[in-house]
Amino acid sequence: KAGVTQTPRYLIKTRGQQVTLSCSPISGHRSVSWYQQTPGQGLQFLFEYFSETQRNKGNFPGRFSGRQFSNSRSEMNVSTLELGDSALYLCASSLGQDETQYFGPGTRLLVL
Amino acid sequence: GEDVEQSLFLSVREGDSSVINCTYTDSSSTYLYWYKQEPGAGLQLLTYIFSNMDMKQDQRLTVLLNKKDKHLSLRIADTQTGDSAIYFCADVRGGSQGNLIFGKGTKLSVKP
Repeated sequence: KAGVTQTPRYLIKTRGQQVTLSCSPISGHRSVSWYQQTPGQGLQFLFEYFSETQRNKGNFPGRFSGRQFSNSRSEMNVSTLELGDSALYLCASSLGQDETQYFGPGTRLLVL
Repeated sequence: GEDVEQSLFLSVREGDSSVINCTYTDSSSTYLYWYKQEPGAGLQLLTYIFSNMDMKQDQRLTVLLNKKDKHLSLRIADTQTGDSAIYFCADVRGGSQGNLIFGKGTKLSVKP
């Protein structure tokens, strides 16, 4: 079974731009969570989706948003990019709402 | 508040055992996880333990849980150079497994 896939794998943007990252969960998985990983803050939870509904949200500004589609694929969007948004963005999927998460390889975003 | 703490570095010789320690604060934790991250990669689920267990063994990996002291450890037997990576301990925030709290990670270096 294919793992979690994330596209693109690498991205370079400039301050003020917006970006959309995509995540395809493992087949049959209905829950998707997003995390941001930076050297300073480590791994931080962004949000969790299940059946197209946002179930939990981390402590991030409103510039960070996400959604989930009926096929469980998820996207996250960051508007008005700041230098501090440079990070590895990881997506994780699980079968259901309270199941073990499996992570994708991440999208590395560099904001210049 | 909820927090997970780990030591940042561990260095061992090939063939020795490695023990990575973690403490957590959320007393309502149901599952605790260990993930491994190799350079430039996402997170790989290594193992997890349910909170009503004291120990779980999976091939070279042994997880010990002391719920009274909120202490979790991961022992890797016969450590190999391929085990060199960053190991993250993760707790479940507020009972939702879609929302994990991670430690800062322990960088394991294995010397030949």
